[in-house]
Amino acid sequence: AQSVTQLGSHVSVSEGALVLLRCNYSSSVPPYLFWYVQYPNQGLQLLLKYTSAATLVKGINGFEAEFKKSETSFHLTKPSAHMSDAAEYFCAVGDSGSARQLTFGSGTQLTVLP
Amino acid sequence: DGGITQSPKYLFRKEGQNVTLSCEQNLNHDAMYWYRQDPGQGLRLIYYSQIVNDFQKGDIAEGYSVSREKKESFPLTVTSAQKNPTAFYLCASSIAGHETQYFGPGTRLLVL
Repeated sequence: AQSVTQLGSHVSVSEGALVLLRCNYSSSVPPYLFWYVQYPNQGLQLLLKYTSAATLVKGINGFEAEFKKSETSFHLTKPSAHMSDAAEYFCAVGDSGSARQLTFGSGTQLTVLP
Repeated sequence: DGGITQSPKYLFRKEGQNVTLSCEQNLNHDAMYWYRQDPGQGLRLIYYSQIVNDFQKGDIAEGYSVSREKKESFPLTVTSAQKNPTAFYLCASSIAGHETQYFGPGTRLLVL
């Protein structure tokens, strides 16, 4: 069974500071990995995904994530936080079976301080 | 514009009542999914469907039912057997056999 652990349910950073949101996964096979962002009372928007091509994945809004197999991690980073980045972020792992199901982490709420 | 629509945005349920949440997509996706979101618990899969007239239970299917009569529609019924229905419900879809899911805007269900 797959699982996802997001370390830190709440993260606060100052505007302009580095954003680092942590995600560790467990999977018995090479995984598909995703980061989604959710603004209040809205659906999830895909930020980026890893599908076994490049280990450093660039996404929308200046975010990127690095797949590290040895650490089973897929941490999300952004060099400089903006007020508009305040949202909840979810890491997810997808299986390679025909159903392509996703298993989500519990989410990290990012607050950006002025 | 292609996308996924969910209605209503807010839904109120009385005790013992069944309610149905709508999910429609015009992306021509074969697969559709229903998730439940509770604070601090991420998203949990309720039901999914990979093809018309076929669907499978997810991790928390008890108290819910679905149908898939048309490719573009995947309604979810929250039955009276679901004793704790208050949550945010999200519908998603994907191309068959493809790993990326796209989400609708969600429906918030509240109990009166």
